Amino acid sequence: GNSVTQMEGPVTLSEEAFLTINCTYTATGYPSLFWYVQYPGEGLQLLLKATKADDKGSNKGFEATYRKETTSFHLEKGSVQVSDSAVYFCALSSSSGNTPLVFGKGTRLSVIA
Amino acid sequence: EAGVAQSPRYKIIEKRQSVAFWCNPISGHATLYWYQQILGQGPKLLIQFQNNGVVDDSQLPKDRFSAERLKGVDSTLKIQPAKLEDSAVYLCASSLDWETSYEQYFGPGTRLTVT
Repeated sequence: GNSVTQMEGPVTLSEEAFLTINCTYTATGYPSLFWYVQYPGEGLQLLLKATKADDKGSNKGFEATYRKETTSFHLEKGSVQVSDSAVYFCALSSSSGNTPLVFGKGTRLSVIA
Repeated sequence: EAGVAQSPRYKIIEKRQSVAFWCNPISGHATLYWYQQILGQGPKLLIQFQNNGVVDDSQLPKDRFSAERLKGVDSTLKIQPAKLEDSAVYLCASSLDWETSYEQYFGPGTRLTVT
């Protein structure tokens, strides 16, 4: 079945540091890939998505590129801020419609000033 | 635009008691989802509704969990009787329709503690 593996947390960085959160997936066909973010006390929010190979999703300075050859969708940001502290979830959805999202376990990021 | 509303935000019950959660999706969203998020894990889909019909409940423990979406709008999720392992955050999400199931909007969740 479909599955998502993301790096264990927590990740602690200083402000303005470079961020990478690794995500790899197992799926049949050509899934769509997502990063969701959960800020403290809030619900999950879609951060970015990519629906086909080599697509790059981007939002709020975050980027992730859909790499089919390595089955990866790593999240990156060049300069993190304290306000980026949150839990980040990688997820996938099968290429056919009406299929549930499959989430990774989440990676907690703490950014210190 | 109002987001997905859930209540209560927190609930503490003893094992073998029953509990119910309520969800009001974004207006006009036909598809509604209930997820269970155990501490340290990602959300796991329990049940998916399209309007007032069940699309997928394959991971719903039907001996103790039930859910309904009367009139295709609000939804309730019930646990009866609760077990210790049901302690989790229960998330409700909605999407415009099943074709945009990847673009789900989540509520803040209900944190359930079973003692």
